Amino acid sequence: DQQVKQNSPSLSVQEGRISILNCDYTNSMFDYFLWYKKYPAEGPTFLISISSIKDKNEDGRFTVFLNKSAKHLSLHIVPSQPGDSAVYFCAATGGSNYQLIWGAGTKLIIKP
Amino acid sequence: EPEVTQTPSHQVTQMGQEVILRCVPISNHLYFYWYRQILGQKVEFLVSFYNNEISEKSEIFDDQFSVERPDGSNFTLKIRSTKLEDSAMYFCASGGGLADEQYFGPGTRLTVT
Repeated sequence: DQQVKQNSPSLSVQEGRISILNCDYTNSMFDYFLWYKKYPAEGPTFLISISSIKDKNEDGRFTVFLNKSAKHLSLHIVPSQPGDSAVYFCAATGGSNYQLIWGAGTKLIIKP
Repeated sequence: EPEVTQTPSHQVTQMGQEVILRCVPISNHLYFYWYRQILGQKVEFLVSFYNNEISEKSEIFDDQFSVERPDGSNFTLKIRSTKLEDSAMYFCASGGGLADEQYFGPGTRLTVT
């Protein structure tokens, strides 16, 4: 059973508008969540993270929101730029387990 | 939904020893990948594998490393003689063939002492 789900395989957004990428999780032991961005033939690059003690974390154009009761997090990118076109992975970890549980990724396409 | 699994979750080995990290990709996937993340650093691409051969590899993937799909279900990464600097999280991923489609496993933490 997938513990981290990204239900949108792809998302297309106009340049300059807001991109919202969603992620749901099922394991209540998760206490730390990360977003990664990935280009073809490269490893995922860390973008932003959030601890379960917070409900929002902001870094420049990127903001991650965490709704623990809904077991849902989202990544907002505003304004969206062409260089944001990539696959975005949500990942979670928790307890004493060093493993990262990954979502399946969402391909973001920024249209000019 | 199917998932990529990796075993063991944590492997401790002595420097100079051989280690095999195992991955079970999603069953109908054709493309397989290994990545590693040294603590505090970025996730690095190691190798991609398709049709029983390496399709692409990075500079990190030197002669100490090898990959194999021994039985049609497992996908393994072997490090022949581990070094201290091989300590990292190793992630396996598999894909069905669509561009950018990769499903990541939870990782194996390798500690070389």
